[in-house]
Amino acid sequence: QVQLVQSGAEMKPPGASVRVSCKASGYIFTGYYMHWVRQAPGQGFEWMAWTNPSNGGSKYAQKFQGRVSVTRDTSISTSYLELRWLTSDDTAVYYCARDRGITGSTIESPDYWGQGTLVTVSS
Amino acid sequence: DIVMTQSPDFLAVSLGERATINCKASQSVVYSPNNKSYLAWYQHKPKQPPKTLIYWASTRESGVPDRFSGSGSGTDFTLTISSLQAEDVAVYYCQQYCCSPCTFGPGTRVELK
Repeated sequence: QVQLVQSGAEMKPPGASVRVSCKASGYIFTGYYMHWVRQAPGQGFEWMAWTNPSNGGSKYAQKFQGRVSVTRDTSISTSYLELRWLTSDDTAVYYCARDRGITGSTIESPDYWGQGTLVTVSS
Repeated sequence: DIVMTQSPDFLAVSLGERATINCKASQSVVYSPNNKSYLAWYQHKPKQPPKTLIYWASTRESGVPDRFSGSGSGTDFTLTISSLQAEDVAVYYCQQYCCSPCTFGPGTRVELK
């Protein structure tokens, strides 16, 4: 069965960077797009990026341009989200979510979600 | 960016009764080449990841009970829970994915009356 297992909670000081991992299993990792979405405390969901694990291409929300990167290691079926220059506003639960669309076709919507990773930014 | 709004913010429903949640997009979320509405619904419970309920506005995700249904097209959409069960207490979100950035509604909290 499809599973997305994310790395554990992180606490970072302002100005630092954080990297969250998302290990996929139960399907061909390079066959489906992957999204990264976050939810700040008491807030709604905010889409950050999607990535094509097949070729490494990514599209980022304009709000995060320049301080977010999504990479992958296909040998271990893992996607990584890196967010730089953290502020307290980045305190949130970060989710990876597999897109139901296959790579090479159009982006669709998430079907499977990781369990979430809490990132706390505090001095 | 397409702005998604939901109504009501909060809904209290008795067990077995119908719950109806509305979602409105600031512009059409129909993708012209295939005429599909790029609209999804998610259920979110505390300390859990979101669960996908509906995509293409009305297609139920595999394994989702048939008491959940989605309808609408263009800019106006509805999620209906035909007979509310205790396990349906959650926050429900709509999301458009036709146009980048994909955007979510603010959520509707459903509780038992």
